[in-house]
Amino acid sequence: GNSVTQMEGPVTLSEEAFLTINCTYTATGYPSLFWYVQYPGEGLQLLLKATKADDKGSNKGFEATYRKETTSFHLEKGSVQVSDSAVYFCALTPTYGNNRLAFGKGNQVVVIP
Amino acid sequence: DAGVIQSPRHEVTEMGQEVTLRCKPISGHDYLFWYRQTMMRGLELLIYFNNNVPIDDSGMPEDRFSAKMPNASFSTLKIQPSEPRDSAVYFCASSPLVGELFFGEGSRLTVL
Repeated sequence: GNSVTQMEGPVTLSEEAFLTINCTYTATGYPSLFWYVQYPGEGLQLLLKATKADDKGSNKGFEATYRKETTSFHLEKGSVQVSDSAVYFCALTPTYGNNRLAFGKGNQVVVIP
Repeated sequence: DAGVIQSPRHEVTEMGQEVTLRCKPISGHDYLFWYRQTMMRGLELLIYFNNNVPIDDSGMPEDRFSAKMPNASFSTLKIQPSEPRDSAVYFCASSPLVGELFFGEGSRLTVL
């Protein structure tokens, strides 16, 4: 089936540090890939997406590249701010079929001033 | 433009009571989703609709849960009878395109 795996555990880092959150996926065909962000007390928001291999999604300084050869979609930001503290979810939808997103378990990111 | 609107934001009830959660999706979005989020199980899809028709309800935990979408601008999720293990944040989301979901702020349910 379709699934997404995110690295275990929260991520704590200092302001202006480089952030990487790993995401790998299992899917048949050519899924679309997404990163969602959830700020405290809010619902999830779409952060960025990529719909085909080698596409790079970007938004608010965050980037992720769809790597079919490694089945990965790692999220990166060069210089994080305290306001980036949130939970980040990787997700995919299958190429064909229904609109059922497969979400990863999420990673809590805490940025310390 | 208003986002997805959910009500109530918070609900505290006693075991055995009926709970109804409400959702108004973004106008023009063809898909509507109900999710449940807990610390233990993370984010779970309960059911989703396309053009008001339930497409996939395989995530509905049991017969105590039911969801309806009588028209394009309104949906309900009902739990009857409620149990303490139903305590969670319930999110409604709508979508104009596959994969691009717009979430409401959630309804936090506590069943005592």
